[in-house]
Amino acid sequence: NAGVTQTPKFQVLKTGQSMTLQCAQDMNHNSMYWYRQDPGMGLRLIYYSASEGTTDKGEVPNGYNVSRLNKREFSLRLESAAPSQTSVYFCASRAGQGGHYGYTFGSGTRLTVV
Amino acid sequence: GENVEQHPSTLSVQEGDSAVIKCTYSDSASNYFPWYKQELGKGPQLIIDIRSNVGEKKDQRIAVTLNKTAKHFSLHITETQPEDSAVYFCSGGGADGLTFGKGTHLIIQP
Repeated sequence: NAGVTQTPKFQVLKTGQSMTLQCAQDMNHNSMYWYRQDPGMGLRLIYYSASEGTTDKGEVPNGYNVSRLNKREFSLRLESAAPSQTSVYFCASRAGQGGHYGYTFGSGTRLTVV
Repeated sequence: GENVEQHPSTLSVQEGDSAVIKCTYSDSASNYFPWYKQELGKGPQLIIDIRSNVGEKKDQRIAVTLNKTAKHFSLHITETQPEDSAVYFCSGGGADGLTFGKGTHLIIQP
């Protein structure tokens, strides 16, 4: 099925550990996004990539890095996890051209940092 | 940049009644306003959208209205059913990206 695939779905980390969240889309979309969702805070943008080869900071980038590996894949890395990074992480993509501005979201990664 | 405000944060309605969620936006250049539904444990899913050259759009029990002058847009759900229980997000923007509201938790009471 066409869409956005995120791995893993669940992860528990110890404080200070590192990990990479993977995201891939098969819709030939240009733009990709990483959001975190916390209770009462809605969706907050961490980083985005408007096109292959570019990345930019969003609202809450501290403690994260990203890589746009190719047009399909956009990964999010936590170098030294902290309890404040406990959250649900969503990857999204969109065509961004020809009036196709809607986002397609993945099913999320639920991360707990202890 | 764009700022999207969404109200209410929680809405409880009786099954069969209507539900209305309201949003405002700040950037007059925004021209695309999608709505997303997020069910428990899932990612947000696009349910309906409206462009700035249209005042209203309907899809079965769901409708969206847009008032460009007042920078208001709303989601209307009629004849609510248990499966409508979810968190709903409004958003606004265009070619440069979307800004999301903080969400409305819609509860359908039996």
